[in-house]
Amino acid sequence: GQNIDQPTEMTATEGAIVQINCTYQTSGFNGLFWYQQHAGEAPTFLSYNVLDGLEEKGRFSSFLSRSKGYSYLLLKELQMKDSASYLCAVMDSNYQLIWGAGTKLIIKP
Amino acid sequence: GAVVSQHPSWVICKSGTSVKIECRSLDFQATTMFWYRQFPKQSLMLMATSNEGSKATYEQGVEKDKFLINHASLTLSTLTVTSAHPEDSSFYICSARDLNFSEREQFFGPGTRLTVL
Repeated sequence: GQNIDQPTEMTATEGAIVQINCTYQTSGFNGLFWYQQHAGEAPTFLSYNVLDGLEEKGRFSSFLSRSKGYSYLLLKELQMKDSASYLCAVMDSNYQLIWGAGTKLIIKP
Repeated sequence: GAVVSQHPSWVICKSGTSVKIECRSLDFQATTMFWYRQFPKQSLMLMATSNEGSKATYEQGVEKDKFLINHASLTLSTLTVTSAHPEDSSFYICSARDLNFSEREQFFGPGTRLTVL
């Protein structure tokens, strides 16, 4: 079956760095997405990786290793507004998104 | 950028009534639209995929007769929750994709909060 695993909840301090991991097993692979979702709102796109390596975009970076079925989202210089759920999603061979359960990130002052 | 709207943003209805949710792509043609449901503290669950002009493809466990999906034009899809019950209370999110542009990008609507009393 298809499976995406990510931690349920993480806590970090304002100004620090946090890494949210995601492992996946899917039928085919057409890229991995990270989305941010604040409570009561729809997801917003953060990043897309289809090749191995690190993609950096401002304070956020995303890494992918296809051979290991592994990705992480790195958030630097954490701000209180970064408190949200972070969803890992993999696009399978049918171009359908398979979603992880999300990681709730709590930022403390 | 591509914008997707949903209407209404939130709705409260009585048990047994039907509720229609609209999803519109404002500045692009949505060849495919997806309907998701999200319960509190859970991730998105895909309910169905609809291609313009054809019948929707429902995910396993989603009742076709209860969740009616219509995708009659390239900019509008509707989800009708028929004979709603309290267990249907959830956050419903649509997303849209333009296959002529990209097979990968999906653009999300802001969601509709449904509460059934």
